[in-house]
Amino acid sequence: AQSVAQPEDQVNVAEGNPLTVKCTYSVSGNPYLFWYVQYPNRGLQFLLKYITGDNLVKGSYGFEAEFNKSQTSFHLKKPSALVSDSALYFCAVRDGSYSGAGSYQLTFGKGTKLSVIP
Amino acid sequence: DAGVTQSPTHLIKTRGQHVTLRCSPISGHKSVSWYQQVLGQGPQFIFQYYEKEERGRGNFPDRFSARQFPNYSSELNVNALLLGDSALYLCASRGLRQGYEQYFGPGTRLTVT
Repeated sequence: AQSVAQPEDQVNVAEGNPLTVKCTYSVSGNPYLFWYVQYPNRGLQFLLKYITGDNLVKGSYGFEAEFNKSQTSFHLKKPSALVSDSALYFCAVRDGSYSGAGSYQLTFGKGTKLSVIP
Repeated sequence: DAGVTQSPTHLIKTRGQHVTLRCSPISGHKSVSWYQQVLGQGPQFIFQYYEKEERGRGNFPDRFSARQFPNYSSELNVNALLLGDSALYLCASRGLRQGYEQYFGPGTRLTVT
């Protein structure tokens, strides 16, 4: 079974400050990790992914995430927060060792609400 | 290119009724997945279809069913609606030549009264 934990229901940060949204995961095989953002009354928008390679991955809108295998974490970061970054952020995992049926099932965390204060 | 589209946007049904939700994937994408997002929670996997065949099913009762058509669009059907079925239903598509990410539609907000 695979699972994702986002330990913070809400993160508040001042505009211009760095932000971090935390995510830890559990899978039996190699993790494929994703971050999505959701604005009010909207679907999920893909931000970035880790499949293999460099532990620091860069994505859309200046976001990046650091994969840490030993800590089973995939924290989302941004050097300087914008008010427009305020939204709901979801971390998701897929077990990369699966193939065939159900292989593209994503397991999501509960989400972290990010509020950037002007 | 148009993104994933879903219809209707909003829907209000009564307990016991049946509902059909529709999804059109991004052009060229052959894999479609359905997720249920209850308020305050992350999306939960319901089904995945690829080339018109069911490739995965989440922990949902048999009241939930789906199918994929030759043009790769998909329908999600829910019978005997319960109050607990009230949620945002998200459709996602994925193409073979891209990475492993799925692209989501705007969702259908279902309210069961």
